[in-house]
Amino acid sequence: SYVLTQPPTVSVAPGKTARITCGGNNIGSKSVHWCLQKPGQAPVLVISYDGDRPSGIPERFSGSNSGNTATLTISRVEAGDEADYYCQVWDISTDHVVFGGGTKLTVL
Amino acid sequence: EVQLVESGGGLVKPGGSLRLSCAASGFTFSAYSMNWVRQAPGKGLEWVSSISGSSNYIYYADSVKGRFTISRDNAKNSLFLQMNSLRADDTAVYYCAKHQVVVHNEGSAFDIWGQGTMVTVSS
Repeated sequence: SYVLTQPPTVSVAPGKTARITCGGNNIGSKSVHWCLQKPGQAPVLVISYDGDRPSGIPERFSGSNSGNTATLTISRVEAGDEADYYCQVWDISTDHVVFGGGTKLTVL
Repeated sequence: EVQLVESGGGLVKPGGSLRLSCAASGFTFSAYSMNWVRQAPGKGLEWVSSISGSSNYIYYADSVKGRFTISRDNAKNSLFLQMNSLRADDTAVYYCAKHQVVVHNEGSAFDIWGQGTMVTVSS
């Protein structure tokens, strides 16, 4: 089965740039989506199709995808960005949606 | 306003059954594939099942295949998950989520999520 690997934690100071990676075999050939989840809340889509931002998502959020790694980049990080972040793909070989294990973003 | 509201969760004994519902509003329900995603306490997101707008395409995670059945009633703007032979490791918050794109595309993002309904399997 297809596996997506995320770092469990990422820490960043306010105003700096956070980069959250999502590793998978030839993930660059797939469309990667990212969502965030704050404690006690439902997930929220922040990036779709590698780098598209849904309406209402700040321009500080961007995404890229190449080779074996997709990356969610959050610029000028704010305290309100603290959340768990998940990457997601569709694995055509198994007809399964796959989520990464999630990354907890901590703003120092 | 686009909205998804889950219901039907609760406490059930191992081996028991439960039927979850998801009421959709604010969009043309029949045009979109829908999904169930669960989250065990303190754990990450786990995809459970997907169903296309016309119910022609249905997919299940290996962990629930043969025990869970996804269905929808487009006339009532409702999504369902029939869960049988429940086990302790099915304990989770169950979310329904909408595909972002209207065309049939298994690789779509999930752009709208409900608030979830808690299922606890315990004796």
